[in-house]
Amino acid sequence: GIQVEQSPPDLILQEGANSTLRCNFSDSVNNLQWFHQNPWGQLINLFYIPSGTKQNGRLSATTVATERYSLLYISSSQTTDSGVYFCAVVHDMRFGAGTRLTVKP
Amino acid sequence: GAVVSQHPSWVICKSGTSVKIECRSLDFQATTMFWYRQFPKQSLMLMATSNEGSKATYEQGVEKDKFLINHASLTLSTLTVTSAHPEDSSFYICSARDLSGWVYEQYFGPGTRLTVT
Repeated sequence: GIQVEQSPPDLILQEGANSTLRCNFSDSVNNLQWFHQNPWGQLINLFYIPSGTKQNGRLSATTVATERYSLLYISSSQTTDSGVYFCAVVHDMRFGAGTRLTVKP
Repeated sequence: GAVVSQHPSWVICKSGTSVKIECRSLDFQATTMFWYRQFPKQSLMLMATSNEGSKATYEQGVEKDKFLINHASLTLSTLTVTSAHPEDSSFYICSARDLSGWVYEQYFGPGTRLTVT
């Protein structure tokens, strides 16, 4: 099956900083999602992004399917952005290991 | 947006008993639902794919006789952990796929935290 790798595994930011999270996948995919898991365990859909770029407020994502990676950008981070960010290849529902983000006030 | 509920949100049971977890799509029909388990500080692991009206498809290494899945309607799937043991303690999450727009986006329930004593 498809392998999904995320980096970095852990990220600590000061409030207001920007960050980029990366997701690499081992084979061509035609659907990819980014999720945020909050401290209570709830998974929140951020982006369904098989290709191209999408933006939602302070968050944006870009998937370059031909080069097998996707990026999640968080700008002007806030403490509420803390949690774990997962990317997943939707068709196989294979998740990456996640990036644990901590935003400090 | 699409909403998926799970019930209960947490449960404590004694070793040897069975526990049923419900997953419902509230505002859309889900021909396919998925069940995951997540151990602390780990990623989600797909356990099985549940299709309405047919038998679930289990991932390799998941005991189908222990984790019984039933998808009786387009809005409800259930996971029953039979003869639970402490090693079954975990966070169980379901998701549902809304195919009305022919998009494979998935929506997740809030999860059920199972503790077996």
